[in-house]
Amino acid sequence: GAVVSQHPSWVICKSGTSVKIECRSLDFQATTMFWYRQFPKQSLMLMATSNEGSKATYEQGVEKDKFLINHASLTLSTLTVTSAHPEDSSFYICSARDASDTQYFGPGTRLTVL
Amino acid sequence: GNSVTQMEGPVTLSEEAFLTINCTYTATGYPSLFWYVQYPGEGLQLLLKATKADDKGSNKGFEATYRKETTSFHLEKGSVQVSDSAVYFCALSEGTGGFKTIFGAGTRLFVKA
Repeated sequence: GAVVSQHPSWVICKSGTSVKIECRSLDFQATTMFWYRQFPKQSLMLMATSNEGSKATYEQGVEKDKFLINHASLTLSTLTVTSAHPEDSSFYICSARDASDTQYFGPGTRLTVL
Repeated sequence: GNSVTQMEGPVTLSEEAFLTINCTYTATGYPSLFWYVQYPGEGLQLLLKATKADDKGSNKGFEATYRKETTSFHLEKGSVQVSDSAVYFCALSEGTGGFKTIFGAGTRLFVKA
């Protein structure tokens, strides 16, 4: 089946630094990718919808200047957490939708901000 | 708005027991319904789906039927195995919402040998 990869799988950074997370669809083109955040033992909360070549659509309460999303190609979307703080520590998951509207999820990236 | 409610866990069962995880939804249109599974240390995997009323999704012995009259999509398996231990998420996706997927809170299942 279709595969979505994320890089890095885990990252530790100092407070105030920025972190970039990549999401790639490896064997299909994805016009739409989604970014989720998952807190420990909780569900996935949709952060934003990323469409190739256009600005991302953010969910209510998500700061677009803090969580920068770039969907530069049909196989790559990036999420940059700017000026990260400890409260941004979380598990970030992306998904990509194929031509049949099936969503495939990446394995997630665990971010720890010290 | 759209929402998904599923039973709280954790659910602990013995091997070969019958499993039911309840899921109900609220949607303005006609959503597609999904069950995803997350094994320890792994990402989400689609377990099964149903796209219209009365459809039954099935995979790996798991089943769920799209019940429009009760707005439900309960997950069932006749005989669970230890390897089924995971977190199960009920979800919906609606075209009018840009095909965003809304997830339930997740139900953790422990299966004892």
